Amino acid sequence: GAVVSQHPSWVICKSGTSVKIECRSLDFQATTMFWYRQFPKQSLMLMATSNEGSKATYEQGVEKDKFLINHASLTLSTLTVTSAHPEDSSFYICSAHTGENYGYTFGSGTRLTVV
Amino acid sequence: GQSLEQPSEVTAVEGAIVQINCTYQTSGFYGLSWYQQHDGGAPTFLSYNALDGLEETGRFSSFLSRSDSYGYLLLQELQMKDSASYFCAVRNRDDKIIFGKGTRLHILP
Repeated sequence: GAVVSQHPSWVICKSGTSVKIECRSLDFQATTMFWYRQFPKQSLMLMATSNEGSKATYEQGVEKDKFLINHASLTLSTLTVTSAHPEDSSFYICSAHTGENYGYTFGSGTRLTVV
Repeated sequence: GQSLEQPSEVTAVEGAIVQINCTYQTSGFYGLSWYQQHDGGAPTFLSYNALDGLEETGRFSSFLSRSDSYGYLLLQELQMKDSASYFCAVRNRDDKIIFGKGTRLHILP
């Protein structure tokens, strides 16, 4: 089946530094990827939609300058958390539509801890 | 706006049947999905309903009534490994998947 590879699976960084998270579609082309954030015991909140070759579209309340999204190819989307702060600590997950039965495949997620 | 309502927690006994309900309000509805998520893991796709009726996949079934903006996930022959959070999600006209708050399913032996 369709696989989205996400890494790193976890990262610890110092306040003020930037962290890049990558998502790759391994056996299909993903012109669109979605980035979610999930706090403990809460739902997945859509942050932005990543579009290959064009600018990402951000959901209301999400700072585009803080969460930089790049979708440079049909198989790779990246999310960079810039100038990270402890409140950015969360589980970040990407997703792409596989084209099969309207299933959306998720990456394995990245647990970010900012200290 | 968009909103999905589902119970926050449900408890059932191993071997039993449990139903998790979901009501939704959204713009440009295209379908209702269900996802399972174990603690620390990523969501996994369970089912999708675009049309009214029941979809069955093994022990899991999902139902949709578009006129009532309502759906449910039915889990049969519950196993301990089914203990997880279950999310309903709508696909809207922007092709985005918007998630409900999730239902935590506790299974008792």
